[in-house]
Amino acid sequence: ETGVTQSPTHLIKTRGQQVTLRCSSQSGHNTVSWYQQALGQGPQFIFQYYREEENGRGNFPPRFSGLQFPNYSSELNVNALELDDSALYLCASSLELAGNNEQFFGPGTRLTVL
Amino acid sequence: GNSVTQMEGPVTLSEEAFLTINCTYTATGYPSLFWYVQYPGEGLQLLLKATKADDKGSNKGFEATYRKETTSFHLEKGSVQVSDSAVYFCALTLSGGYNKLIFGAGTRLAVHP
Repeated sequence: ETGVTQSPTHLIKTRGQQVTLRCSSQSGHNTVSWYQQALGQGPQFIFQYYREEENGRGNFPPRFSGLQFPNYSSELNVNALELDDSALYLCASSLELAGNNEQFFGPGTRLTVL
Repeated sequence: GNSVTQMEGPVTLSEEAFLTINCTYTATGYPSLFWYVQYPGEGLQLLLKATKADDKGSNKGFEATYRKETTSFHLEKGSVQVSDSAVYFCALTLSGGYNKLIFGAGTRLAVHP
């Protein structure tokens, strides 16, 4: 069973640029959530996709957008990058939506905005 | 609003010492509660969970009991090892709706030989 994978591992961008981060969910999982973890803080929920539809969104501006594909892999897109977007971006997959279902996290993508 | 509060770190202990990391929560309804661990340079791993009041989650010598009356989910371990050095996050999901995790700020644990 393959776990959650993310790419790239590290990324450096400049302000105003756009970035796409990718996530492959664990085999059989149809739900993917994205989190932003700033240095020294807990992860903050960005949004969740369930069967290719956005199913919930945290307090992030519209320049944060996403997609989920038929194979349940997912992308996070961030436009007009700002310095404060520098963080570890974590993807988590789970089977269905139930709140007590375990979410399995990938290793994350470290984004640095200069 | 819904939130999780953890004791501030870092927590520094000697090997074989007793560990407690405090966690309290504010939530509507009946949340499920989790402890996640993050080792240096890695993503999050689920350590244990409890889905209803008075449940005890346990794994790898760690335990936490869901206390509805005190809205707490404190993490304990009787004898820590150097390999337990990591950042520990308390989190909750709300009943109903989607399983968005709400995390505390994390507590860094450093265990010395």
